[in-house]
Amino acid sequence: DSGVTQTPKHLITATGQRVTLRCSPRSGDLSVYWYQQSLDQGLQFLIQYYNGEERAKGNILERFSAQQFPDLHSELNLSSLELGDSALYFCASSPGLAGGRYQETQYFGPGTRLLVL
Amino acid sequence: AQTVTQSQPEMSVQEAETVTLSCTYDTSESNYYLFWYKQPPSRQMILVIRQEAYKQQNATENRFSVNFQKAAKSFSLKISDSQLGDTAMYFCAFMRGNDKIIFGKGTRLHILP
Repeated sequence: DSGVTQTPKHLITATGQRVTLRCSPRSGDLSVYWYQQSLDQGLQFLIQYYNGEERAKGNILERFSAQQFPDLHSELNLSSLELGDSALYFCASSPGLAGGRYQETQYFGPGTRLLVL
Repeated sequence: AQTVTQSQPEMSVQEAETVTLSCTYDTSESNYYLFWYKQPPSRQMILVIRQEAYKQQNATENRFSVNFQKAAKSFSLKISDSQLGDTAMYFCAFMRGNDKIIFGKGTRLHILP
């Protein structure tokens, strides 16, 4: 168990719908990352938050958005869903700045499997 | 841009044998981190081993060890005394500082009884 939790584990929805994926990082971790794993694209970075602020963006579609709340949990919102959005969505966390230097190792949650029908 | 290449899409070895998974990467950075993650059928991403580029000593975690060749930009994973539970997809990954991880496409490893 990595200490990162993600809910829900599975999500089945229809095209055009909107869903929210939730992530709780490991206790004390300030950085949260979102990744998408699909069959054709492999594992791709979507977005990073550090202590509530957006830090980096990857291949995230405009239909997708995320935020990190004051308690450091994060939500990934996916809207106007398309069949191609079906994938496994991972959240990962890392300590960020700790002990005067960045602690970079990312620990992954169990993922949310999204199926768009 | 950084890239990570895993040239072995799939491998099979007998239980108790030693297997080496290959990985090369491309970067102009001097300080970075390299990882091997394991993804078993449960799809959980599990950190196997971590190497900091500034450290010359190869990382070791029990039966798992790496051969890190910085000049050659090579980072292979050796699994000794392989076990059935080692069956999984293995991803080589690169990270620069407090940044995103760039993953290779993975090597599917089958440990045969």
